[in-house]
Amino acid sequence: GESVGLHLPTLSVQEGDNSIINCAYSNSASDYFIWYKQESGKGPQFIIDIRSNMDKRQGQRVTVLLNKTVKHLSLQIAATQPGDSAVYFCAEKDGFDNDMRFGAGTRLTVKP
Amino acid sequence: DGGITQSPKYLFRKEGQNVTLSCEQNLNHDAMYWYRQDPGQGLRLIYYSQIVNDFQKGDIAEGYSVSREKKESFPLTVTSAQKNPTAFYLCASSIGRLVNTEAFFGQGTRLTVV
Repeated sequence: GESVGLHLPTLSVQEGDNSIINCAYSNSASDYFIWYKQESGKGPQFIIDIRSNMDKRQGQRVTVLLNKTVKHLSLQIAATQPGDSAVYFCAEKDGFDNDMRFGAGTRLTVKP
Repeated sequence: DGGITQSPKYLFRKEGQNVTLSCEQNLNHDAMYWYRQDPGQGLRLIYYSQIVNDFQKGDIAEGYSVSREKKESFPLTVTSAQKNPTAFYLCASSIGRLVNTEAFFGQGTRLTVV
């Protein structure tokens, strides 16, 4: 399964710019992926999900890209706003043990 | 309105004490989960339950216990056997563990050993 890192990657962007948050996974059997947003002191909130039979999915201001060849997932946020500042987690699930595995997260800071 | 509720928001425990964290959901979900979150780390699975009266250990179950007597409730007890219990605890629920849908999270309980 995906390892849990000890150091939280950070991304700092200017308000109005686009943000790209990346996530690598190691389990070839993973077939379902989710991005969550977690604000300080709160529980994670669902942003968008994607199944392994897709390589792109769009939501409101967000796009998730899945590259199964290199086991890479990305979250793109368009026109980033101060309210987007949070920690973003990717989570993966495979059809064998059905456990949801979470990455360490990326801290996004939006500068006004 | 529907959701998942954790209580209390903050909890302090003395050394050697057991404490119980509450988790209630009114989403009619079959599956419920407990995760532990330490600073700068992802979520680690403590226990999960797929159905009433059934629960399974996750990756870090030692020092914890759970029960699932009702569909809507999945309390977590942090026992004195848990040597490093200070952490942020998150409860979640989903339609079913075998179904590929998102899990909904509560707002968490921050447990501190004093």
